[in-house]
Amino acid sequence: EGQLVESGGGLVQPGGSLRLSCAASGFTFSSYAITWVRQAPGKGLEWVSGISGSDGATYYADSVKGRFTISRDNSKNTLFLQMNSLRAEDTAVYYCVKDPTTVTTGFFDCWGQGTLVTVSS
Amino acid sequence: DIVMTQSPDSLAVSLGERATINCKSSQSVLHSSNEKNRLAWYQQKPGQPPKLLIYWASTRASGVPDRFSGSGSGTDFTLTISSLQAEDVAVYYCQHYYSNPITFGQGTRLEIK
Repeated sequence: EGQLVESGGGLVQPGGSLRLSCAASGFTFSSYAITWVRQAPGKGLEWVSGISGSDGATYYADSVKGRFTISRDNSKNTLFLQMNSLRAEDTAVYYCVKDPTTVTTGFFDCWGQGTLVTVSS
Repeated sequence: DIVMTQSPDSLAVSLGERATINCKSSQSVLHSSNEKNRLAWYQQKPGQPPKLLIYWASTRASGVPDRFSGSGSGTDFTLTISSLQAEDVAVYYCQHYYSNPITFGQGTRLEIK
């Protein structure tokens, strides 16, 4: 199943930037689609962005399109999320999650512990 | 976007009794490519990330106790816990993966009565 470990969260002012990382281990990272899902404090789950394993195609929620960029470094088994023009409503725990098979499905069998991003002045 | 609506928002069930959570999608998530419903269920306990319970609407994930079962097709789905255990206290989410954007239900909080 593998392991995912997020890092890079913290406190940032509105309008600021942050780069999240997700270190993967225990599976062939380059073969799997990886996704960011976030959860605002006390709220539900929101899909943010995904990147395929096969061709690196990227997908974004409308709420972050144009502000966030997902990327991956397969040589380092690491996923990134560059977050710019941050808003208070981006405050959330950000989870890195993995598809269960190399054929992209869209459900997630492996979740990291999450990293908290707080956007506040 | 496909909207996922769960009911009830919260539920209290006695130990050993059946718990039923419903999930309705705003459009069918039955995909013609494989005639499977693209619907998953997750369990989230306090302070933990969600855990996959059910996928393809009715397939239990590895290691999930058989008291958990999923059913339904098209737009209406159900997660059933046949005999509630204390460790099942959690928030449960349904999720469609029919198309982007993937969306989740708002969650159902399950407690012990």
